[in-house]
Amino acid sequence: QQQVKQSPQSLIVQKGGISIINCAYENTAFDYFPWYQQFPGKGPALLIAIRPDVSEKKEGRFTISFNKSAKQFSLHIMDSQPGDSATYFCAATRNTNAGKSTFGDGTTLTVKP
Amino acid sequence: DVKVTQSSRYLVKRTGEKVFLECVQDMDHENMFWYRQDPGLGLRLIYFSYDVKMKEKGDIPEGYSVSREKKERFSLILESASTNQTSMYLCASSLHAGRGAKNIQYFGAGTRLSVL
Repeated sequence: QQQVKQSPQSLIVQKGGISIINCAYENTAFDYFPWYQQFPGKGPALLIAIRPDVSEKKEGRFTISFNKSAKQFSLHIMDSQPGDSATYFCAATRNTNAGKSTFGDGTTLTVKP
Repeated sequence: DVKVTQSSRYLVKRTGEKVFLECVQDMDHENMFWYRQDPGLGLRLIYFSYDVKMKEKGDIPEGYSVSREKKERFSLILESASTNQTSMYLCASSLHAGRGAKNIQYFGAGTRLSVL
């Protein structure tokens, strides 16, 4: 049973455009929502994260929007650049010692020059 | 910076062989994880460990075992490799929440395993 659903599976955006990736979760016990970025040949790395008591978090061109009542969150990449081409994973976690995360299936973003 | 090192980037093994994938982290993290990554299936958790000698099954443990004898090292073992275990394997680590840390996982670069 997948607990975090991510869409779309792939996304092609022109340079300078806005990339939007959406995730939905089911378990209301989740209390931290990170996004990871993975370049080819590398492992995923934390990009940006948000707690559910905040509706939006912005870091540079990357913004997370969070809708607690709808149990949805999304990543917006403004002014998308070819260097942003990567696979993006959303995740949901509970603040337990074991630190397990539930990941979405990933979105492959291609930014065309 | 946290560093998670996986011993091999590429491995080619034969069906039936016993395969060891090694992972070492240098930041005194309590939690360590093994995932496999396949196209369209995201990151699937195989096993995780929250302390030395402690381990718990993830979502797809069948055909795998793990060993954690030291805090910094977490090994994934394929007892008898099969072709359907051809995949990218990722190791990750994180701090216990009790140490006041956010639940962030730090990943190695991955081991691409081919079983022929």
